[in-house]
Amino acid sequence: QVQLQESGPGLVKPSETLSLTCTVSDASISSYYWNWIRQPPGKGLEWIGYIYYSGSTNYNPSLKSRVTISVDTSKNQFSLKLSSVTAADTAVYYCARSPWGIVVDYWGQGTLVTVSS
Amino acid sequence: DIQMTQSPSTLSASVGDRVTITCRASQSISSWLAWYQQKPGKAPKLLIYKASSLQSGVSSRFSGSGSGTEFTLTISSLQPDDFATYYCQQYNSYSTFGQGTKVEIK
Repeated sequence: QVQLQESGPGLVKPSETLSLTCTVSDASISSYYWNWIRQPPGKGLEWIGYIYYSGSTNYNPSLKSRVTISVDTSKNQFSLKLSSVTAADTAVYYCARSPWGIVVDYWGQGTLVTVSS
Repeated sequence: DIQMTQSPSTLSASVGDRVTITCRASQSISSWLAWYQQKPGKAPKLLIYKASSLQSGVSSRFSGSGSGTEFTLTISSLQPDDFATYYCQQYNSYSTFGQGTKVEIK
């Protein structure tokens, strides 16, 4: 059973960079697509982007200028950086696996990141 | 951007009811559509992919249909565990989700 666990600060100041890491257990990161998806409190889901284990990426055009997703196969981890955050970036951030790109079959439990001074 | 619109936003139903949720795309997405179920405080769960393919381990009371711009998720006989919020997701061009349909107890 694939397990994913998000980690990182729960509070980020406006204009700073949000950084999260997802650790994958019981599966090799060296295949599949690895996604980040977020959900503002009480609202719907927003796809942020994905990385293939080889390093190729695909980002949501609305966030592309601020997003970087990277992978560390030696640690079985992938990471998200979102720059110049505002209160609108406050959300539960999920890391997730996709067999084909964007359709997710395994999710992390999610981590709430609040943007506030 | 492809916009996804779900209807209804909220649905009140009873155990045993047949339930249908509709998802419409702002342009054709072929069959590149998935459905997820989400319960409060939990991550979503994949139910259907490629419009009508049932994810492994998911109950056969869930089914999906449609292509192009109009899609449906049907629950053949609503069970207590099915009260949740359902989201459609297009993955024809990048990805966007519908706003969600909450299925609540009548």
